[in-house]
Amino acid sequence: EVSVVESGGGLVQPGGSLRLSCAAFGFNFNNFWMNWVRQAPGKGLEWVANIKDDATEMYYADSVKGRFTISRDNAKNSLFLTMNSLRVEDTAVYYCTVGHYTNSWGQGTLVTVSS
Amino acid sequence: DIQMTQSPSPLSASVGDRLTITCRASQDISHYLAWYQQKPGKVPRLLIYDASSLESGVPSRFSGSGSGTDFTLTISSLQPEDAATYYCQQYTSAPWTFGQGTRVELK
Repeated sequence: EVSVVESGGGLVQPGGSLRLSCAAFGFNFNNFWMNWVRQAPGKGLEWVANIKDDATEMYYADSVKGRFTISRDNAKNSLFLTMNSLRVEDTAVYYCTVGHYTNSWGQGTLVTVSS
Repeated sequence: DIQMTQSPSPLSASVGDRLTITCRASQDISHYLAWYQQKPGKVPRLLIYDASSLESGVPSRFSGSGSGTDFTLTISSLQPEDAATYYCQQYTSAPWTFGQGTRVELK
């Protein structure tokens, strides 16, 4: 069964940094695009970034371009999101998702940017 | 980037009604569209993929149609448990994008 577990969220001041991790289980991680999707409190889903199965292509939402970096370690079935220059508006639950569309969502990890 | 625009929110309907939610893409996305349902405090649930394929376990009252730029999600007979927010998502080319969501309320 496909499952993902996100971690690394927390409280950070504006301008700070965090690194999120996602551990993947139950599927051939090497064969799938992976994504970060976020949801701010009371708001809709926002796709943040994704990375091709072999890590040769990465894409970002305009709202995070230049500040966030997505990466993966296929040997460890792990996905990462390095977030720099964090802003109050980056406050959200961050989800790791698998493939082009997915029915396998973790519980997410909460990132709170506040002074 | 491709922009996805959904029906205005909220949509109000009664139990038993037929309800249609629309999603429009800013450019041709072929059939590469998914629909999700999200209830408060829960993670999204995949309903439809490839515009019209029903995900396993999803009730048959849900159906999807469309191709190109215009898509619809239809609930043939609205049930109380269908009160939720619905999102479309395109995956024809990265970056994938979501619509803004359509909240369905029961009258």
